[in-house]
Amino acid sequence: DADVTQTPRNRITKTGKRIMLECSQTKGHDRMYWYRQDPGLGLQLIYYSFDVKDINKGEISDGYSVSRQAQAKFSLSLESAIPNQTALYFCATSDGADNEQFFGPGTRLTVL
Amino acid sequence: DAKTTQPNSMESNEEEPVHLPCNHSTISGTDYIHWYRQLPSQGPEYVIHGLTSNVNNRMASLAIAEDRKSSTLILHRATLRDAAVYYCILRAFTGNQFYFGTGTSLTVIP
Repeated sequence: DADVTQTPRNRITKTGKRIMLECSQTKGHDRMYWYRQDPGLGLQLIYYSFDVKDINKGEISDGYSVSRQAQAKFSLSLESAIPNQTALYFCATSDGADNEQFFGPGTRLTVL
Repeated sequence: DAKTTQPNSMESNEEEPVHLPCNHSTISGTDYIHWYRQLPSQGPEYVIHGLTSNVNNRMASLAIAEDRKSSTLILHRATLRDAAVYYCILRAFTGNQFYFGTGTSLTVIP
């Protein structure tokens, strides 16, 4: 079984809709991250969380919100999706700032 | 914010060593250098990281320049499975954020 899972794996939605992407991990890590990847580009950090009560904005947090429901779960929401949020979204976990980040398989989101 | 510069693409013959360069001229003294790779249709995976000294692990070696303004990821014997995009990343001391660049797309030729 995968250590970091993301649901859904693919999603097509329309402009203005609210979307939630979910991430779960079984690694017991405190730190969780949400990244966005546009075609042909590297990853950009959206939000990160060091524990259940700690949420921090990344480089590109505008238009996104997150919820850390438990140590193992970290959700990303798009309150009102727009077409330029079409991208590949990755969740990651780590047990320390300088330690290895483990990435999920990604969610491909298309906003029409 | 410290950033990295990498060649867009490189090629290597199978079973030969590969040296992937990265420039990070604005690196601060407390920034760690991380390398990740992303295989097609997958999330990134950790390769190696270091601060000042050269580092070795089962996947690769990391050579860091004395002034820390550049580093090189060394794959000792490239295999077809090493074909991927390789990202050189600095972990910013403040905010604990990773800054991914566009990476180097490595093609391994049989």
